[in-house]
Amino acid sequence: QLQLQESGPGLVKPSETLSLSCTVSGGSISSSHYHWGWLRQSPGKGLEWIGSVYNSGNTFYNPSLKSRVTISVDSSKNQVSLRLTSVTAADTAVYYCTKVISFYFYMDVWGKGTTVAVSS
Amino acid sequence: QSALTQPASVSGSPGQSITISCTGTSSDVGGYDFVSWYQQYPGKTPKVMIYAVRNRPSGVSNRFSGSKSGNTASLTISGLQAEDEADYYCTSYTSSITPLYVFGTGTKVTVL
Repeated sequence: QLQLQESGPGLVKPSETLSLSCTVSGGSISSSHYHWGWLRQSPGKGLEWIGSVYNSGNTFYNPSLKSRVTISVDSSKNQVSLRLTSVTAADTAVYYCTKVISFYFYMDVWGKGTTVAVSS
Repeated sequence: QSALTQPASVSGSPGQSITISCTGTSSDVGGYDFVSWYQQYPGKTPKVMIYAVRNRPSGVSNRFSGSKSGNTASLTISGLQAEDEADYYCTSYTSSITPLYVFGTGTKVTVL
């Protein structure tokens, strides 16, 4: 059973860069049937899609975050990475890594999520 | 990109059926059969309940069903149980600007 585990610093200072990793275990990171996504949920709020990366390397980002986001796949480490620059308090959230079924565009496997607070 | 509109809360008694609506536009819900629904308990990870409008993943109770009409998708929970009390989010694929997903505002289901 494929599992996802997010990791990274729980506290980031304003204007700095947030970097998270998602380790994929129990399955292949490379497949034509699925790709990877990052989502977040601010305290007490709903879910927000950040972006997606296909195994081809193609990426798609939420337009509201596009200028600050980079998502990539490292097959040698079985990891999917998220980088968000120039963070502010508005980026405080639980960040989720997900496996996305490509044909139907839905998230069938989620990591447990990692909480990131932006504060000085 | 505007969020999909869901009622803030829906409630029902055990055994009853409830329906949660998810209203978008012709660029998302109305334009594609890629609507999915997620259940989330407080402090927990979301879980997919319905994908591609009406398909249930293996292991999801058949009390959950999905449908779509025009720009509005719906999730129906039949035979409501205490364990169904959670937040529910819809999402749809959209190509209004670049290919991306748009989420619903979320609905709190309360079992009376």
